[in-house]
Amino acid sequence: EIQLQESGPGLVKPSQSLSLTCSVTGYTITSGYDWSWIRKFPGNKMEWMGYISYSGSTNYNPSLKSRISITRDTSKNQFFLQLNSVTTEDTATYYCARYPHYPGVMDAWGQGASVTVSS
Amino acid sequence: DIQMTQTPSSMPASLGERVTISCRASQGISNYLNWYQQKPDGTIKPLIYYTSNLQSGVPSRFSGSGSGTDYSLTISSLEPEDFAMYYCQQYDSSPLTFGSGTKLEIK
Repeated sequence: EIQLQESGPGLVKPSQSLSLTCSVTGYTITSGYDWSWIRKFPGNKMEWMGYISYSGSTNYNPSLKSRISITRDTSKNQFFLQLNSVTTEDTATYYCARYPHYPGVMDAWGQGASVTVSS
Repeated sequence: DIQMTQTPSSMPASLGERVTISCRASQGISNYLNWYQQKPDGTIKPLIYYTSNLQSGVPSRFSGSGSGTDYSLTISSLEPEDFAMYYCQQYDSSPLTFGSGTKLEIK
């Protein structure tokens, strides 16, 4: 059974970078599918941030394109989110998820990592 | 970006009641519409993909329908574990976008 687990600092200062790790067990991230980051803001809005594919290509939400980077460490079966120049507006719960393009639904999610941006 | 308008934002309902949540896209999305459930502990799971297909393990009281720009999720008879947040999400075009969520509450 696939499991995803987010980890990283729960508090980040404004203007700094937010870095999160998604550790995957039960499936090898280079075997297939895309690997996404999604965030849920206070007030319930959800935003898809981007993904890294099994081959290593990336696709980002244009709203974040200048600040976001998704990378991976295939030896550890992990993928990462870096979001630069954060503001308080980036305070959210961050989720990683597996995204098969067929059937097109994010079918496995981590439990979420809460990140607060505050000085 | 395709905007997803989800209604209602909250819905008080009773056990055993039939409820329907709606989602309208700002343009046609060719049935590329998923539904997710988020429990109070934050856990998110997919319920329905491609408008009307039940994800493995999801009870048959959940169903989805729609076409063009208008889609809906129906729960035929509410169980205690169904009181949660629900989100629609389109994948017709990038960026993927979500509805604003519906909180299903106990009346």
